[in-house]
Amino acid sequence: EVQLVQSGAEVKKPGKSLKISCKGSGYSFSTYWIGWVRQMPGKGLEWMGIIYPGDSETRYSPSFQGQVTISADKSISTAYLQWSSLKASDTAVYYCARLDTRAYYYWGQGTLVTVSS
Amino acid sequence: QSVLTQPPSASGTPGQRVTISCSGSRSNLGTNNVNWYQQLPGTAPKLLIYSNNQRPSGVPVRFSGSKSGTSASLAISGLQSEDETHYYCATWDDSLNGSYVFGTGTKVTVL
Repeated sequence: EVQLVQSGAEVKKPGKSLKISCKGSGYSFSTYWIGWVRQMPGKGLEWMGIIYPGDSETRYSPSFQGQVTISADKSISTAYLQWSSLKASDTAVYYCARLDTRAYYYWGQGTLVTVSS
Repeated sequence: QSVLTQPPSASGTPGQRVTISCSGSRSNLGTNNVNWYQQLPGTAPKLLIYSNNQRPSGVPVRFSGSKSGTSASLAISGLQSEDETHYYCATWDDSLNGSYVFGTGTKVTVL
């Protein structure tokens, strides 16, 4: 069974760094692109970027380029989304999802990130 | 703001047919297939339709999709109470560094 399990909720202060994770299981992690999607409170879905764990090729939405870093460690079947300096506006639920035939079929459960002083 | 525009809301009575539109441009819907997602409150999105009109296994046949030019639509036939939630169209945009883009989202209400 394909599963994407994300790390737990985080509460951080502005200016702090953060790295959240998405662990895949039940399939060959290296051979499927993993994307990240943001959903701010009460708002819609925003695509942030994508990574191919096999060679760590990464692409970012222009809206998120330079704001976050997407990485992966194929040896432990885990993708990451990280911030070097959080802002209050980063408060959101973040989802990882596996790309299948140019659509996202399998999704993680979401990670709530709250940034507040 | 999103490059794919959806109506904020749509509604119907049980059993009715409801249609949700998704409007884009040549660089996204004009060139690429559309996918549709359903998101129930507090849960991750669920793929409802892919490649314009294909249903993943387990998706009820009352959900159907179509695309023409730079517009797409999702139809729910025989509306049911459990269909009351948010729906998003999505596709790839060749002008945005090959980004995936979501629509603005539509809340369907069952009256």
